Amino acid sequence: EIVLTQSPATLSLSPGERATLSCRVSQSVSSYLAWYQQKPGQAPRLLIYDASNRATGIPARFSGSGSGTDFTLTISSLEPEDFAVYYCQQRYNWPLTFGGGTKVEIK
Amino acid sequence: EVQLLESGGGLVQPGGSLRLSCRASGFTFSTYAMGWVRQAPGKGLESVSGISASGDSTIYTDSVKGRFTISRDNSESTLYLQMNSLRAEDTALYYCAKAHSTSWGPFDSWGQGALVTVSS
Repeated sequence: EIVLTQSPATLSLSPGERATLSCRVSQSVSSYLAWYQQKPGQAPRLLIYDASNRATGIPARFSGSGSGTDFTLTISSLEPEDFAVYYCQQRYNWPLTFGGGTKVEIK
Repeated sequence: EVQLLESGGGLVQPGGSLRLSCRASGFTFSTYAMGWVRQAPGKGLESVSGISASGDSTIYTDSVKGRFTISRDNSESTLYLQMNSLRAEDTALYYCAKAHSTSWGPFDSWGQGALVTVSS
């Protein structure tokens, strides 16, 4: 099973600041990595797929980069609605494992 | 607009069974792989099972193999998860999710979830 490790566990930032979230993978997954956002009481929402492609309707302030085993999600300028938990997921092979999540909280 | 509506969750004793359903609308159901993802209370996400667009290929995470069965009825745009021999550790919110393409993932649309509680 491919293991995904997200860091930091919690990121405390203010609106307008830049957020940089990391996802490290136990083996190469090429570019088959996605990022999701989840707010309390809601289902996850796909933000980025295949490392750097924004999903439909996702604002341009969200961007993804990386390949192989190291990936980054960047939120260029945090909006109030961006404070949430973010998960990475690989689709290189089954099971489609997720990282443990990074909580972006208001400082 | 894509909509996924789960049903069938509830409280069941250890060793019991439940069948989850997910009614899909707003897209051509028969052309996308689908999956079930669960989230235990206060925990992260775990992929449980996936099924190809045609239904002829299925896949499971190790902890549910031999106990859970995924299936789909493309004529009814409905996804199912039959869960047998349920354990306390199966307690979770079960999400139905649509794959972004014909591959297993990622999942670009999710239902609101069906809560499964396994307890005596």
